[in-house]
Amino acid sequence: NAGVMQNPRHLVRRRGQEARLRCSPMKGHSHVYWYRQLPEEGLKFMVYLQKENIIDESGMPKERFSAEFPKEGPSILRIQQVVRGDSAAYFCASSRGQGGETQYFGPGTRLLVL
Amino acid sequence: AQSVTQPDIHITVSEGASLELRCNYSYGATPYLFWYVQSPGQGLQLLLKYFSGDTLVQGIKGFEAEFKRSQSSFNLRKPSVHWSDAAEYFCAVVFMDSNYQLIWGAGTKLIIKP
Repeated sequence: NAGVMQNPRHLVRRRGQEARLRCSPMKGHSHVYWYRQLPEEGLKFMVYLQKENIIDESGMPKERFSAEFPKEGPSILRIQQVVRGDSAAYFCASSRGQGGETQYFGPGTRLLVL
Repeated sequence: AQSVTQPDIHITVSEGASLELRCNYSYGATPYLFWYVQSPGQGLQLLLKYFSGDTLVQGIKGFEAEFKRSQSSFNLRKPSVHWSDAAEYFCAVVFMDSNYQLIWGAGTKLIIKP
């Protein structure tokens, strides 16, 4: 059973470009979470999605950031017009349910904005 | 607001010595408690978790943790550390009344002296 897959593992963008980060949850998991980890800091919750629904996006910046989890295919975290401060590691996790179900993490995408 | 505190940013121990990493959480409804480990440049791996039952939980890689409700703590221990244990360790808590959101500590970086 494959774990949570994220791609790309590393992404380099220039300021103003768009970044698209993909996350494929574990088989049988329908809940996806995105976290951001800034250098030397812990993880910060961004958004929680179920298939075709955003459940909680309270941790996501109001502008330039969006997330989706379509019926088919991976979850996408999209950052438009990236700035240097967006440089971070972005982790995706998935779980079978909510309410304390264990979240399993992908290896992360390290975004560097030049 | 609900929070998780890892009071030690860095801990240095000698190889073969015992280890205890501290984790405290703010008061809330019955928590689910997790410890994750992150090796340099890697994603997060679940070490162990507590949902209910025996308050002493055994995890992978020889780690254990003890839930103490009276102290709102869930400290991670290992009797004898190995150089390969050098990593960053994160405590995370789901409070039942927050339903699904993992609240993260800031992490403790473990350094192993030869």
